[in-house]
Amino acid sequence: AQSVTQLDSHVSVSEGTPVLLRCNYSSSYSPSLFWYVQHPNKGLQLLLKYTSAATLVKGINGFEAEFKKSETSFHLTKPSAHMSDAAEYFCVVSDTDTGTASKLTFGTGTRLQVTL
Amino acid sequence: EPEVTQTPSHQVTQMGQEVILRCVPISNHLYFYWYRQILGQKVEFLVSFYNNEISEKSEIFDDQFSVERPDGSNFTLKIRSTKLEDSAMYFCASSFGQGAGYEQYFGPGTRLTVT
Repeated sequence: AQSVTQLDSHVSVSEGTPVLLRCNYSSSYSPSLFWYVQHPNKGLQLLLKYTSAATLVKGINGFEAEFKKSETSFHLTKPSAHMSDAAEYFCVVSDTDTGTASKLTFGTGTRLQVTL
Repeated sequence: EPEVTQTPSHQVTQMGQEVILRCVPISNHLYFYWYRQILGQKVEFLVSFYNNEISEKSEIFDDQFSVERPDGSNFTLKIRSTKLEDSAMYFCASSFGQGAGYEQYFGPGTRLTVT
């Protein structure tokens, strides 16, 4: 069975400071990992994905994440937060086993607050 | 940029009533999904659909639920007899292919409130 744990339900940073959103995963197979973002009243948008290529993945809007198999982690980072980054962020896992490859398993989400 | 749309944005219904949630996936996509998020809980997979049949469903997706692609553009989720615990945000998603290499594009969701 696959699962993800987002270690913080709420993170608050000042504009211009680094962002770190933490995620640990559990998977029976080689996982594919994603970060999705949800702005208020909007759909879930893919930020970035890891699918067994480079362990450091770059996404949109300056975000990146590093896959660390030894730590079963896939933390999301950004060097400098912007006010527009305030949103809910979801860490998501998908097993690459064919039978379940279409099913995404979500974490509980981290609400990012960016203050002036 | 093409996007997944969902209607209505908010649906209020009485317990025991049938509801149909509608989605228009991205036009060249072949795989369709429904997820739901009960307030304060995780987004949960309900069902995936391909080639006019269900390819996978979760334990949540019992006989009260059904999905249909009635025409070339719409993808619907029907709940036959709603219960209070069906109150949730329902997300539709679509993808061109199956597997991690293919991004699932999500709609903005329909908030279903059962009273």
